[in-house]
Amino acid sequence: QLVLTQSPSASASLGASVKLTCTLSSGHTTYPIAWHQQQPTRGPRYLMKVNSDGSHSKGDGIPDRFSGSSSGAEHYLTISSLQSEDEADYYCQTWGTGVWVFGGGTKLTVL
Amino acid sequence: EVQLVESGGGLVQPGGSLRLSCTASGFIFSSYAMSWVRQAPGKGLEWVSGLSYGGTSTYYADSVKGRFTISRDNSKDTLYLQMNSLRAEDTAVYFCAKDPAGYPSLFEYWGQGTRVTVSS
Repeated sequence: QLVLTQSPSASASLGASVKLTCTLSSGHTTYPIAWHQQQPTRGPRYLMKVNSDGSHSKGDGIPDRFSGSSSGAEHYLTISSLQSEDEADYYCQTWGTGVWVFGGGTKLTVL
Repeated sequence: EVQLVESGGGLVQPGGSLRLSCTASGFIFSSYAMSWVRQAPGKGLEWVSGLSYGGTSTYYADSVKGRFTISRDNSKDTLYLQMNSLRAEDTAVYFCAKDPAGYPSLFEYWGQGTRVTVSS
């Protein structure tokens, strides 16, 4: 079964960097994933697609502070120079044959 | 600029029906797959349904299969979600999302959502 696992919460200080993790289920480790950001009371926003080789392609207007990478079953979203507006929920997402799956989301708090 | 505007949400009784619409602009609507994703109060995102660019391939989450129908009118740049036999657990904000390709994969652009409340 295609499943994505995320830690429920993360925190980091203003101006620092944070690395969020999304883990693919066994047997699906070569799947690409997408990262989406959802700020409070807003609709989601597509950030980027990360392939299993670690390459990534960003959505329109996504700042250079956001980057993606991967290692085996784990995909990462790194946000550097944290700003207050980065405080949001971050979801990873993937897809298979007839199924589209989201991780449970990570709530990022900027201290 | 890509814009997706959902409408049609509201309060409906259990067992009732509702049709959501998503009006698109800023891109060639007929060339891209589209999907519906929902978010129950205080919960995460849940994919609901997807539709290929021409409307011939449809996909549904098990939780809505047989009750919801996705469709599109490429002449009106509009995506629809017909929701029948609604249940309390269908209460959520419903987002439409655009894919970067002709068949559903990832969600490249999102609307702001329309709220559906199923309650007596």
